[in-house]
Amino acid sequence: QKEVEQNSGPLSVPEGAIASLNCTYSDRGSQSFFWYRQYSGKSPELIMFIYSNGDKEDGRFTAQLNKASQYVSLLIRDSQPSDSATYLCAVKSGGFKTIFGAGTRLFVKA
Amino acid sequence: DTEVTQTPKHLVMGMTNKKSLKCEQHMGHRAMYWYKQKAKKPPELMFVYSYEKLSINESVPSRFSPECPNSSLLNLHLHALQPEDSALYLCASSQGGIDGYTFGSGTRLTVV
Repeated sequence: QKEVEQNSGPLSVPEGAIASLNCTYSDRGSQSFFWYRQYSGKSPELIMFIYSNGDKEDGRFTAQLNKASQYVSLLIRDSQPSDSATYLCAVKSGGFKTIFGAGTRLFVKA
Repeated sequence: DTEVTQTPKHLVMGMTNKKSLKCEQHMGHRAMYWYKQKAKKPPELMFVYSYEKLSINESVPSRFSPECPNSSLLNLHLHALQPEDSALYLCASSQGGIDGYTFGSGTRLTVV
């Protein structure tokens, strides 16, 4: 059974701090890795994707991938109250099927 | 156009009703998906269409019937649903392969 594990949180950080969200996955054949942000009552929105080991930066967001450790993370720098949401880690192993983690709830305190 | 459009946004139906959810994308994506999401849970895959053909059915009960009339449209026909089927139904599309999804805004379904 392919699994994606996340700490459900809530993770609470002060405004301006770095929020660090973590995810592990079980399938060593996984090829692509995603972070989706979901505000309460809304649909998920793709914010980052990463395919290769290392870091990928986009604005205040950095995705990190370590395939040897089967570990993906998302760093949010200069966290804002508008970043408060549930962050879903998702993994594809090829084909069209994506496995989602249960999500981490993030609260950014003003 | 970078959107996936779902209609209706909200739907209340009785257990004997028949209704349909609709989804449309004009991004040229070759794969379209139906997901079901319960409160505080991750999205659960129901169906995948690739090039207008059903490629994955995650053992979904037959009271849910998908249809892909063309590469831009995806429908989900609902019949004889149960109250436990109440959820947010999400349509998504992707170019396929290793790409991420673009989700629609979802249909909030309540079965009474």
